[in-house]
Amino acid sequence: KQEVTQIPAALSVPEGENLVLNCSFTDSAIYNLQWFRQDPGKGLTSLLLIQSSQREQTSGRLNASLDKSSGRSTLYIAASQPGDSATYLCAVKTGANNLFFGTGTRLTVIP
Amino acid sequence: DAMVIQNPRYQVTQFGKPVTLSCSQTLNHNVMYWYQQKSSQAPKLLFHYYDKDFNNEADTPDNFQSRRPNTSFCFLDIRSPGLGDAAMYLCATSRVFRDDEKLFFGSGTQLSVL
Repeated sequence: KQEVTQIPAALSVPEGENLVLNCSFTDSAIYNLQWFRQDPGKGLTSLLLIQSSQREQTSGRLNASLDKSSGRSTLYIAASQPGDSATYLCAVKTGANNLFFGTGTRLTVIP
Repeated sequence: DAMVIQNPRYQVTQFGKPVTLSCSQTLNHNVMYWYQQKSSQAPKLLFHYYDKDFNNEADTPDNFQSRRPNTSFCFLDIRSPGLGDAAMYLCATSRVFRDDEKLFFGSGTQLSVL
């Protein structure tokens, strides 16, 4: 069964720093990988989706990479802002149309 | 404007008392999903509909049922809630099953069981 791990569980950085969030998965037979943002007590907002044939996707200050063979993805956030504080979850899609989620990294950007 | 709407935002029920959570969408998407997310845990898929075709995950308890009367609405019924069913319930939609399709989530319903 697919397992998704995100390390670290929590991260605090000063405003303006660049940072990297990590995601690893055990089964490389995936269709895509998505990064989501979740604010406390709220639903999930899709940030980036990388198809299995792609290596990276960019949206504004966010860049996500995918190395399917090693089972790893990173989310790079440039010039972090206090408004970026949230929990970031990665999820991989398998052939059964299910998304397997990690437990997330809780990011705090300190003004 | 909200595209996936979940009601209510917070729901309190008593142990064993049936409860229904509601989800509606304005996206006209074919697929609707229900996820359960317990505190500090990853969201877990309970079931999904592709149009009217219902797909139950193998480990979803029998206590959980779902209805989709039309494209726009989907309901989650918990027949006899237990304390362990307290969680955030997330509804999501996607247009179809494709590798480049994103999921759109509602804001969730936080269920408490007393």
